[in-house]
Amino acid sequence: DTEVTQTPKHLVMGMTNKKSLKCEQHMGHRAMYWYKQKAKKPPELMFVYSYEKLSINESVPSRFSPECPNSSLLNLHLHALQPEDSALYLCASSHSFGGLVDTQYFGPGTRLTVL
Amino acid sequence: GEDVEQSLFLSVREGDSSVINCTYTDSSSTYLYWYKQEPGAGLQLLTYIFSNMDMKQDQRLTVLLNKKDKHLSLRIADTQTGDSAIYFCAENNNAGNMLTFGGGTRLMVKP
Repeated sequence: DTEVTQTPKHLVMGMTNKKSLKCEQHMGHRAMYWYKQKAKKPPELMFVYSYEKLSINESVPSRFSPECPNSSLLNLHLHALQPEDSALYLCASSHSFGGLVDTQYFGPGTRLTVL
Repeated sequence: GEDVEQSLFLSVREGDSSVINCTYTDSSSTYLYWYKQEPGAGLQLLTYIFSNMDMKQDQRLTVLLNKKDKHLSLRIADTQTGDSAIYFCAENNNAGNMLTFGGGTRLMVKP
């Protein structure tokens, strides 16, 4: 099973709302990732968690707040977003990060629209 | 820095072979990947090749790697309309597990 699940599939929010994106994997992977993908562009890395600790933050604005409550779950908390934050948000996981080269498996994404 | 480039668009007829090309600059790349993305969906891992290999075949997919020229290609035999999607190549080097993606090639398959 190489499945990464993400909820919700679609999300529409106003600029004053607070919402969360969720990602889950049950492959025993210890590295999890958040990517942002704008239309017709490749995914851009936002955050990397390794063993439930934040390893990489690619200078993401603080209105995006990641959380890794356990090894299977990854959340992205959203607050005071801007319309330009509208994008497809992809979660990925891999066996490890930082030591071994390992394949990343992606979820189906959450399509976020900020009004 | 690292750079991965792909052509933007490829159009083929159903039943023909498709060849999607990718060039990269990082000579320390250890794994190279092909991902497929259908409209509105996430990235599906199609195949990958380790840098000490020249070729990998998996059913209709053939990956060729020319490490000297830093050129990667994906050949899809007997292309079907369901193969219409955007195809991303990506490299991964052993400085951590960071992927560098190409810009994606949109494959259109005409019936």
